Amino acid sequence: IAGITQAPTSQILAAGRRMTLRCTQDMRHNAMYWYRQDLGLGLRLIHYSNTAGTTGKGEVPDGYSVSRANTDDFPLTLASAVPSQTSVYFCASSGTEENTGELFFGEGSRLTVL
Amino acid sequence: GQNIDQPTEMTATEGAIVQINCTYQTSGFNGLFWYQQHAGEAPTFLSCNVLDGLEEKGRFSSFLSRSKGYSYLLLKELQMKDSASYLCAVLDSNYQLIWGAGTKLIIKP
Repeated sequence: IAGITQAPTSQILAAGRRMTLRCTQDMRHNAMYWYRQDLGLGLRLIHYSNTAGTTGKGEVPDGYSVSRANTDDFPLTLASAVPSQTSVYFCASSGTEENTGELFFGEGSRLTVL
Repeated sequence: GQNIDQPTEMTATEGAIVQINCTYQTSGFNGLFWYQQHAGEAPTFLSCNVLDGLEEKGRFSSFLSRSKGYSYLLLKELQMKDSASYLCAVLDSNYQLIWGAGTKLIIKP
C-alpha cells in the first residue's frame, strides 16, 4: 500500500530555477494539500484542492502554483525559486472534500535553495 | 489572529506518564487534533476531540475544554519509541487546520 508518494525526497536547487515537486496518491482521496514545515513554526498551508479540477490558496501561496488535473496527482511548482523557499514540503490528502482534520501525509520533500 | 501554543520541548522517563498541553485561539472551532511526527518522517494522525472531555486510545488519551481553549495529550507507560514531536492542530471555521509548532518529546531510559 503506497498511500502518498512524493518526489524528489531531497533536492538542492539554485535560486531562480524552476522546480516541480510531485505528489501522487492511490487512495482515491478527494482533497489534497501542500504544506511547508520550517523549524519553530507549525505546518503552513500553501495550496489545496478539494476535488479534481479545483484548487485554492492557503496561508502562504506566493511563489507557488499547483494543478489538479486528476484525482491522483497534485504537483507543486516553484516558478523561480528563492532561498526563503528552503523548507520541507509535505503533501497530504483526506478522504472527503470537506476537511475533517484527519490527513494522510507523504514522506516529505526536503528542498534547499542556494 | 489565530494562535496555537504548545511547549517547545519536554523530557520524560521511560515507563512514566507525560502530559503535553496545547492552548488555542482560532476563528471558529471544528475539532482539535493531535499528530505524532518522528524525526525525518511524516506526521501521523493520533486523535481528534470535537466535544469536551477525554478520549482514550490505548496508552494515549486526549482531553479538550472548548471554553478554556485548552487540550492536552497524555501518554502513559512511555516507551523509547514515543520519542517524537507531537503536533496540536485546530480545524477552524473555514475547515482549515491551524497547526502549533510542535512539542519535541525526549524519552530517557
